[in-house]
Amino acid sequence: NAGVTQTPKFQVLKTGQSMTLQCAQDMNHNSMYWYRQDPGMGLRLIYYSASEGTTDKGEVPNGYNVSRLNKREFSLRLESAAPSQTSVYFCASKIGVNYGYTFGSGTRLTVV
Amino acid sequence: KNEVEQSPQNLTAQEGEFITINCSYSVGISALHWLQQHPGGGIVSLFMLSSGKKKHGRLIATINIQEKHSSLHITASHPRDSAVYICAVNGGSQGNLIFGKGTKLSVKP
Repeated sequence: NAGVTQTPKFQVLKTGQSMTLQCAQDMNHNSMYWYRQDPGMGLRLIYYSASEGTTDKGEVPNGYNVSRLNKREFSLRLESAAPSQTSVYFCASKIGVNYGYTFGSGTRLTVV
Repeated sequence: KNEVEQSPQNLTAQEGEFITINCSYSVGISALHWLQQHPGGGIVSLFMLSSGKKKHGRLIATINIQEKHSSLHITASHPRDSAVYICAVNGGSQGNLIFGKGTKLSVKP
């Protein structure tokens, strides 16, 4: 089915370990986003990519890096995981400015 | 003060009741979104509004740009409507979404 695919769905990391969260969309969308969702808070933007070849910081970028590998794929990397990065991560995409968003199913990350 | 405020935070209803969830925002926006998040976590886009009213099945969303307020209504509620409903606005400095904290709805049979 068309949509946004995130992998993995669940991950447990030890403090200091690194990992990459993968996101791919097959809807030919231009813009892609990474959000984190924490209890009692609204989703917050980590990084976004307005179009292939560009990436920009969002509200909470510290401790993360991103790569827009091609138009389909937008990955989020944690170089040295910290317990404060325990969260649910959502990837989203949209085709353009005045269009709705499609969200992935989320990655639940726990850093111990 | 949060830029997007939702009320109520939690809502319990009996099956069949008419439900209203409110969203107020304090920033200039180009559009407002209503999203649904079921237990298990996936987020689904319900509506995107820039003016007036939209209807899809038993769901109705309205927006008043002058008052910076939107409502999501559910008619003839059903237990399968139980979810967290999230209001978000296109108003961030980077053109991104600013999210409310969500309203947790539980519909009892």
